[in-house]
Amino acid sequence: DVKVTQSSRYLVKRTGEKVFLECVQDMDHENMFWYRQDPGLGLRLIYFSYDVKMKEKGDIPEGYSVSREKKERFSLILESASTNQTSMYLCASRSPGGQPQHFGDGTRLSIL
Amino acid sequence: DQQVKQNSPSLSVQEGRISILNCDYTNSMFDYFLWYKKYPAEGPTFLISISSIKDKNEDGRFTVFLNKSAKHLSLHIVPSQPGDSAVYFCAASDMTTDSWGKFQFGAGTQVVVTP
Repeated sequence: DVKVTQSSRYLVKRTGEKVFLECVQDMDHENMFWYRQDPGLGLRLIYFSYDVKMKEKGDIPEGYSVSREKKERFSLILESASTNQTSMYLCASRSPGGQPQHFGDGTRLSIL
Repeated sequence: DQQVKQNSPSLSVQEGRISILNCDYTNSMFDYFLWYKKYPAEGPTFLISISSIKDKNEDGRFTVFLNKSAKHLSLHIVPSQPGDSAVYFCAASDMTTDSWGKFQFGAGTQVVVTP
């Protein structure tokens, strides 16, 4: 079974802080994704990575950056956290070729 | 602009009856569709998929129907069980031109199965 692990289930930070969300997958998947889930908006793609050190912007990249130094790990960085970044953040991974994405359990991030 | 729309935010159904969840999309290039199920405090889990070369795919109690001309898909759950109470997300991708496997997700439908 694929395991996607997000380092924190709940996180509370202050505006202006730099925030790191970590995600690790154990299936040697090439592709990894970061989404945020908000009521009425579903899942929106922030960034994705198709290989180590490679990244592409998703639909809502503003205010975020990512890092992928190792194949199994994909980090989401909030450069200067703002209250409108309070959300549920979901990491996913998949292999290329039509396979569904496998999701972690999410990080509920609150920015005060 | 959302390319995948689930216009019913919630659905209540009696145990044993059929649940029908609907999803509409606007991008005619989408050729691969998924349904995910999400419980509170858990990540979405894959439920069933369908490729645009088919109009129906069945897996146990779950059947997905695709109407390409109407750009519409639906998920049928028969019979509905209390454990089916969850949020269901529809997702779509253009696998032909987008090899990265990016999906567009709908807003989700909260299903409540009552005894």
